[in-house]
Order: sequence, then C-alpha cells, then structure tokens
Amino acid sequence: DIQMTQSPSSLSASVGDRVTITCRASQGISNFLAWYQQKPAKVPKLLIYAASTLQSGVPSRFSGSGSGTDFTLTISSLQPEDVATYYCQKYNSAPLTFGGGTKVEIK
Amino acid sequence: QVQLVQSGAEVKKPGASVKISCKASGYTFTSYAMHWVRQAPGQRLEWMGWINPANGNTKYSQKFQDRVTITRDTSARTAYLQLSSLRFEDTAVYYCAREGIAVAGTFDFWGQGTLITVSS
Repeated sequence: DIQMTQSPSSLSASVGDRVTITCRASQGISNFLAWYQQKPAKVPKLLIYAASTLQSGVPSRFSGSGSGTDFTLTISSLQPEDVATYYCQKYNSAPLTFGGGTKVEIK
Repeated sequence: QVQLVQSGAEVKKPGASVKISCKASGYTFTSYAMHWVRQAPGQRLEWMGWINPANGNTKYSQKFQDRVTITRDTSARTAYLQLSSLRFEDTAVYYCAREGIAVAGTFDFWGQGTLITVSS
C-alpha cells in the first residue's frame, strides 16, 4: 500500500505568516491528492482536491501544489481561525490513505 | 442542505460486534457513494470502506476485510457499518462521509461521528 507522510507533525507560527505543509507519497499518485482541515473537536473539512483545486467556499489564502510524490499545502497569511490539524489524503486507488497530520498553532 | 446524522455512542466488550448508522438527507441518497472513516484517539484518519447505495456494491480496506460489513437501506436513506470481533484498539470515533460531488474518493460531507469504546 502507498504510505503518506506529512511534515512537520506540528508547527507554531504568527498571525499573518506564510505556512507550508508537505505531504509525500511512497509511490507516484499523479494529482490524486486532497487536503482536509480538522479543527479541535470538529469533523474534517475538505479544502483542496486534485492537488490544487480549491473546494467551494474555502478562503483563497489556502493553496495546494504538487504532482507525483511531493505535495504542499500553503496558507499565505495565517489567521487565528486556521488553528487545526491538516491531513493529506491520496485517492488514486484503494486503500484511501491519509497522512499523519500537521497540527498548526498560533505563536 | 446535506446532512449525515449518525447514531449514538456505543460501549462494547472485546469480541462483541457493533452496528452503527448514518442517515442521509438533503440529496439523492443513491447518487453518491458513502464511505466510513475512523479516528482513534490522537491518531490519523483511517479509511475502512465504502458502499454504492444504488446497487449495494462495497469495497473494504484489506485491514478490515474480514471484520467489517457496510450495508444500506435505500428506503430509510441510511448506511450502516458493522464491525465484529471488537478489540481494544477499535476504540475510535467512526465517521460516515459522502463521496465528493466533483471527485470520487474525496469526502465533501461528514457525519458528526460515533464514538465506539471497547472496554472490558
């Protein structure tokens, strides 16, 4: 099975900072990569699919890039409401696996 | 609006089985696959399997293949997850999640989660 590895596992940044999260697949998955945001005690929310397509209603400060094995999620200007854990997920084939998550906090 | 409402928390003993439900509203139930995803305390999200509500076809993660059964009742607009031979490590929040309208294999709406606790 393809493994998804995220880094870092956690980060602390100031409001307004640019934040980048990395996700690496153990094998190529083309652009079959999604990103989810899970706020504390809440259900996950789809942010991005097809590696770079923003889900409807998601703020434009979120962006995604990458293809093959290496992907990034970028928050261009961190806001207090972005405190959450972010997960990548590959969906090219079953099993649909998630990364280990990146916890984002405000410094 | 799309809503997925799950059944309440369960406490089970090791070796027992559990069946939880996910009632859908706000869309055509048979038009979107339904997935089940779990999250153990402090752990990553883990995909368990999915069902095509239109025909009942299922696909399961190999990890759960011999213990999980996903079914649906189209008249009740409800999907079900049954997990047997429960172990302590099955303690987790279990989510149903609707497959994305734009992209198969992504999840655009989630249930509120059902906590299953396995305890002796």
